[in-house]
Amino acid sequence: DAKTTQPNSMESNEEEPVHLPCNHSTISGTDYIHWYRQLPSQGPEYVIHGLTSNVNNRMASLAIAEDRKSSTLILHRATLRDAAVYYCILRDLFKYSGGYQKVTFGTGTKLQVIP
Amino acid sequence: NAGVMQNPRHLVRRRGQEARLRCSPVKGHSHVYWYRQLPEEGLKFMVYLQKENIIDESGMPKERFSAEFPKEGPSILRIQQVVRGDSAAYFCASSPDLDAYGYTFGSGTRLTVV
Repeated sequence: DAKTTQPNSMESNEEEPVHLPCNHSTISGTDYIHWYRQLPSQGPEYVIHGLTSNVNNRMASLAIAEDRKSSTLILHRATLRDAAVYYCILRDLFKYSGGYQKVTFGTGTKLQVIP
Repeated sequence: NAGVMQNPRHLVRRRGQEARLRCSPVKGHSHVYWYRQLPEEGLKFMVYLQKENIIDESGMPKERFSAEFPKEGPSILRIQQVVRGDSAAYFCASSPDLDAYGYTFGSGTRLTVV
């Protein structure tokens, strides 16, 4: 499976934008880029996903490089409630291995938001 | 529309006892996944189940651990003869057949073995 590389930790000031990078140089053509986040003492929650085009939703934006070897999760205005571990994950939705592909988490980026 | 419900939230067991963790998936979801997170570590996949079937148990220890997802009722993760090293947060997730938007996770059960 293609792997992702993320910084271990990042800091951001409250109400400023945050850009969380993810490198995935071995990504395949059918790999979707998914982002999850895990708030303290909570289970992970889905944030956003994309294939080639940039994506926006109510939580965040996902910017995908033209060669797809990297992507950036953008939080437009960080709040204290955005302090969490952010995971970048690749999922090939067309691969059949028992008819599914499990979500495998790496170590993620721990985001600290400073008031 | 309730999300994934896990209970109990916290569970304390003495060494050698059994732990039973319950997970009720999102209504309409037929796929359940269990993950374990040791203190200060990442999430590790344990097992994937569909109704009455174990699809992938590659991440589950061969001994003392078992999982089921019966036709009726919640999914159960059972740990027999618990040891201190089993202390962790156990998360359950569910997905519909078309899981393009990924998994919905519960808040987890925090197991402490004393």
